[in-house]
Amino acid sequence: DVKVTQSSRYLVKRTGEKVFLECVQDMDHENMFWYRQDPGLGLRLIYFSYDVKMKEKGDIPEGYSVSREKKERFSLILESASTNQTSMYLCASSLPPPLVGPGEAQHFGDGTRLSIL
Amino acid sequence: LAKTTQPISMDSYEGQEVNITCSHNNIATNDYITWYQQFPSQGPRFIIQGYKTKVTNEVASLFIPADRKSSTLSLPRVSLSDTAVYYCLVGAPYNTDKLIFGTGTRLQVFP
Repeated sequence: DVKVTQSSRYLVKRTGEKVFLECVQDMDHENMFWYRQDPGLGLRLIYFSYDVKMKEKGDIPEGYSVSREKKERFSLILESASTNQTSMYLCASSLPPPLVGPGEAQHFGDGTRLSIL
Repeated sequence: LAKTTQPISMDSYEGQEVNITCSHNNIATNDYITWYQQFPSQGPRFIIQGYKTKVTNEVASLFIPADRKSSTLSLPRVSLSDTAVYYCLVGAPYNTDKLIFGTGTRLQVFP
């Protein structure tokens, strides 16, 4: 079974701090994703990466950056945390899509509930 | 991008069959339909995916009519452990990053 591990289940930080959220997957997946999940808004894609050192902006990248130095690890960075970044953060990984046929499922971690005070 | 519409919530009782319908009027030719399940305090989990007609696995069935403008996730004989949020996603396989998880359907199963 694919295992996506997020370093913390709960995290409390202060406004203005630089915050690192870590995600590790053990299935050699090329694709990795960071989402945030807020009540009434569903999951929204922040950034994704389809290879080491590659990154692409998702729908809501403002205030965030990412790092992918190794294939198994994808880090989300809040450059200067603000209260509106209080949320549940979910990391996912997947194989790249095939040339034909259905896409690959995304495998999610259990999330990090981040509170910014 | 195909937008999806699904009920906000549904209630059922143990042992019943539950059908959750998703509307996607703007589905494109290359789009597939994928369903995920999310339990509280966990990340979403892939359930089933299909392109047309019917797909069945050990967990659920997915019915897709010929016009593909809607799809129905069918959960046979639900149990309390099926209480979760169910998301319908529509998109092309090569646009993995463009898949949109909406707010989903919150299914509550009662004893």
